[in-house]
Amino acid sequence: SQTIHQWPATLVQPVGSPLSLECTVEGTSNPNLYWYRQAAGRGLQLLFYSVGIGQISSEVPQNLSASRPQDRQFILSSKKLLLSDSGFYLCANTPGVSTEAFFGQGTRLTVV
Amino acid sequence: GENVEQHPSTLSVQEGDSAVIKCTYSDSASNYFPWYKQELGKRPQLIIDIRSNVGEKKDQRIAVTLNKTAKHFSLHITETQPEDSAVYFCAASSFAYQFYFGTGTSLTVIP
Repeated sequence: SQTIHQWPATLVQPVGSPLSLECTVEGTSNPNLYWYRQAAGRGLQLLFYSVGIGQISSEVPQNLSASRPQDRQFILSSKKLLLSDSGFYLCANTPGVSTEAFFGQGTRLTVV
Repeated sequence: GENVEQHPSTLSVQEGDSAVIKCTYSDSASNYFPWYKQELGKRPQLIIDIRSNVGEKKDQRIAVTLNKTAKHFSLHITETQPEDSAVYFCAASSFAYQFYFGTGTSLTVIP
């Protein structure tokens, strides 16, 4: 069975500092990978998705970027964090098209 | 892209009553409609899903209905229990890989 690992679980960062969140998937190959952000009491906003190595699609303009250096690795980054970047970040993968999405445990980011 | 709307945003029901959450979508190419349950501080987990070639699906106390013509689908929870209290998300996905979620419904089951 596949598992998805995401770390760290919590992170407190000052405004203007860089960010790197990592997500890795086990038990499947060539997954579709996603980064979502969930603000407090809000829904899941799709930030980026990737269908393969080096292939990144951005859904919304923002202060963040994503990279996929390996088949089962997805990284969310920022050069300079803003207060508005605070939220609960979730990595997800789908093993195929129109199939169940599996989520990582999430990272709660607080920018202070 | 796809636009998924979800109502209501909050819902309180008495234990044993039914709860209904409704979602609409905009992209007629969407063909997969899952529902997720998210407990506080935890990851969303799939509870039921339906594909566009099916009108209704049931799993014990949970059922989902889909109306492709009207582009809406609903989650029905019968005989609600306190442990059903959580945030529920609908989602829509198509062969274009994007996976869009509704804004969530916070369900509270009152004992």
